[in-house]
Amino acid sequence: EPEVTQTPSHQVTQMGQEVILRCVPISNHLYFYWYRQILGQKVEFLVSFYNNEISEKSEIFDDQFSVERPDGSNFTLKIRSTKLEDSAMYFCASSEGTDQPQHFGDGTRLSIL
Amino acid sequence: GQSLEQPSEVTAVEGAIVQINCTYQTSGFYGLSWYQQHDGGAPTFLSYNALDGLEETGRFSSFLSRSDSYGYLLLQELQMKDSASYFCAVRRRGFQKLVFGTGTRLLVSP
Repeated sequence: EPEVTQTPSHQVTQMGQEVILRCVPISNHLYFYWYRQILGQKVEFLVSFYNNEISEKSEIFDDQFSVERPDGSNFTLKIRSTKLEDSAMYFCASSEGTDQPQHFGDGTRLSIL
Repeated sequence: GQSLEQPSEVTAVEGAIVQINCTYQTSGFYGLSWYQQHDGGAPTFLSYNALDGLEETGRFSSFLSRSDSYGYLLLQELQMKDSASYFCAVRRRGFQKLVFGTGTRLLVSP
């Protein structure tokens, strides 16, 4: 069964550094998402992406964050000048359409030191 | 804003049936999804309701009452592997994002 893949599985970074989290969505899906989950808390929406542009973003997704689809398969989340509170599990998801289920990857655990 | 309420924890024994409730408050309600998440794992899609009534998928069923802003996930013939957290999530009309509840931790014992 097709799945969303994310790399790396774990990223450890010094505060203030930039990180790029990578995702390969399911190949025939058109909508891509990033969510995050702070340890022990609920999953929170960050951003959705369709047709090579951001279609929706949350209050969390400020100027520190950016997304990109650099080629036909990858979807990336860049976090600039990381802060301690950015430590969380970051999940990529994709769906065929807005009315179709969103399928999540296994996540990248981001630890900011 | 939107809010979803779920019980924090539910316990049951193998072979039993358990119901996990979700009440929500949101404008422009479009649909209610259910996800399963094992510790350290990804949320896995289980079920989706946009219309009132029951949706059945194997051992799992989900119910929605839009007039009551209420839904539930029903798990039958519980197995040890069903021990996980279960999240309800709403979608609003015109928006793509899922807004997740705080999750219900299900503990299945022998």
